[in-house]
Amino acid sequence: GAVVSQHPSRVICKSGTSVKIECRSLDFQATTMFWYRQFPKKSLMLMATSNEGSKATYEQGVEKDKFLINHASLTLSTLTVTSAHPEDSSFYICSARDRTGGNEQFFGPGTRLTVL
Amino acid sequence: KQEVTQIPAALSVPEGENLVLNCSFTDSAIYNLQWFRQDPGKGLTSLLLIQSSQREQTSGRLNASLDKSSGRSTLYIAASQPGDSATYLCAGAYSGGGADGLTFGKGTHLIIQP
Repeated sequence: GAVVSQHPSRVICKSGTSVKIECRSLDFQATTMFWYRQFPKKSLMLMATSNEGSKATYEQGVEKDKFLINHASLTLSTLTVTSAHPEDSSFYICSARDRTGGNEQFFGPGTRLTVL
Repeated sequence: KQEVTQIPAALSVPEGENLVLNCSFTDSAIYNLQWFRQDPGKGLTSLLLIQSSQREQTSGRLNASLDKSSGRSTLYIAASQPGDSATYLCAGAYSGGGADGLTFGKGTHLIIQP
């Protein structure tokens, strides 16, 4: 149980295009999902908290207009990187917390974004 | 601002040894701490979760402890195996305004020599 998937696992795009990454909780409902970013040889940094049915809460320094988050259902959150640039190239990982309780976060396998 | 520090940054030991990875955090208002494993280019595998009210958790050859008063957690790996080679991350969960994502340390890169 507690499986989180991400799609795509890897994406390469041209500078200026937008990329959407999906995060799904497969066997549980998640009122809260989190988006993290990991640069090479660095640790994970929280970007934003995604709450079902409401606006996402962004961490300081994260541009909300550049990283659009939508949490339209209890099993799906999407992160759209708009007008991507090479400096946005990173490993993006989502996590989800089971709405039935508990504090544990379950992580997806990550999405490798490369912007040319 | 919460900070999580992991020492050492890298560790290489022969197979079969017991070892301890250290994690320290600056904010005692932590409500749980998780240890993860990350293989190169992969996502995170949750190893152990310790609630703030707990002192330790065990799973197989792994034992994690939590001491809120000193701001420390340790991950003990018994009888290490080459398959344990990975980066180990600790992360603290703090409650604050609903934005309670995890604060991660930079990890300990572990190599178990066959």
